[in-house]
Amino acid sequence: QSALAQPPSASGSPGQSVTISCTGTSSDVGGYNYVSWYQQHPGKAPKLMIYEVSKRPSGVPDRFSGSKSGNTASLTVSGLQVEDEADYYCSSYAGSNTVFGGGTKLTVL
Amino acid sequence: EVQLVQSGAEVKKPGESLKISCKGSGYTFSNYWIGWVRQMPGKGLEWMGITNPHDSETRYSPSFQGQVTISADKSISTVYLQWSSLKASDTAMYYCARLYSSWYPFDCWGQGTLVTVSS
Repeated sequence: QSALAQPPSASGSPGQSVTISCTGTSSDVGGYNYVSWYQQHPGKAPKLMIYEVSKRPSGVPDRFSGSKSGNTASLTVSGLQVEDEADYYCSSYAGSNTVFGGGTKLTVL
Repeated sequence: EVQLVQSGAEVKKPGESLKISCKGSGYTFSNYWIGWVRQMPGKGLEWMGITNPHDSETRYSPSFQGQVTISADKSISTVYLQWSSLKASDTAMYYCARLYSSWYPFDCWGQGTLVTVSS
């Protein structure tokens, strides 16, 4: 099973919006509404930001939103803040297991 | 407070065996699955496998099947990840994380265990 495809990097200025894509296949992203997004700061454990494509866990700012179309899921961060600079990983249920994306480094300029 | 506390960093030689642990607290341990995620130095997250402490059902990523063993001891709220013969390429940070069911996301993560394999 291949990792989901994410752009290696993305960037934006404070206050701007940025969207990160996550492309899979009909066996994972396209086949299930079980796409999640995780944020990881350097040296820290990942943190769940979005689950089931577009749901936010308690405590996650509503600046973070998720969507999906076909085999591609997206994470949008609106009103970028300096603390949003981190690595972001998508993941999708794929039947008997789950697969992660390769990760996107978000830089806030 | 829900917590997953992992065992400490390990330094091992190639060919040695190793078992690292992940202890859950602050919730009903048997009601949640626990999974393991590998992160090699400077690289991304890799889903290794998950186990249900309630009945010991375990699922592995095809990439890790046969390479590691995941097990649980619900009497002490602990899940393990073990290797019978380590390789240098096993050098990585290993995270345990909780999920409500096999298709759910990881909603709580351990602090990570750094495993270094070097001769």
